Amino acid sequence: EVQLVESGGGLVQPGGSLRLSCAASGFTFNNYDMHWVRQPTGKGLEWVSAIGFTGDTYYPDSVKGRFTISRENAKNSLYLQMNSLRAEDTAVYFCARVIDGTYEDYWGRGTLVTVSS
Amino acid sequence: QLVLTQSPSASAALGASVKLTCTLSSGHRSYAIAWHQQQPETGPRFLMKINSDGSHIRGDGIPDRFSGSSSGAERYLTISSLQSEDEADYYCQTWGTGVVVFGGGTKLTVL
Repeated sequence: EVQLVESGGGLVQPGGSLRLSCAASGFTFNNYDMHWVRQPTGKGLEWVSAIGFTGDTYYPDSVKGRFTISRENAKNSLYLQMNSLRAEDTAVYFCARVIDGTYEDYWGRGTLVTVSS
Repeated sequence: QLVLTQSPSASAALGASVKLTCTLSSGHRSYAIAWHQQQPETGPRFLMKINSDGSHIRGDGIPDRFSGSSSGAERYLTISSLQSEDEADYYCQTWGTGVVVFGGGTKLTVL
């Protein structure tokens, strides 16, 4: 059974940093691309970052230069380093398995990040 | 610019059918999309991928009450024999080189 479990969320002040983790199990992690997707409370889904199984990375302009996605295949783990956090980064952050750089076929339950003073 | 447009809300009666629409922006009508369902307080769940020719692949465990189709720039999700647990938010999603886009979501109410 494919499982994705996010952790590392919490309350952080504007301008601060946070590192999210996603523990993957039930599949061969190093064969798959992965995404981070976020959802502000009461709003829709927004793609945050992508990493290919070869390690190439992509970001939307809203987080480029502030967020860094990475993976540690030996630990079946995905990470999101978030720096220079803003109030508008407040959201639930989901990790997701991706099919060949296209769509997400499995999602985690998410971890809440709150940016507030 | 790659954009997906969805109606904010839809409703249908228990046991009936409903067809949700996702519209691709101009110049992108050949793109495939994916549909995801999100019930309250949970992570999204992949339902299916729909190609421009209407062929589709369902996710693991998704019943055949959920079907997909295409016409031009529109991609459809049809849910038949509506059940109370189908009340959820439905998002379409597509992708390009170095970009992933979600529609704004449709909130489905089962009456």
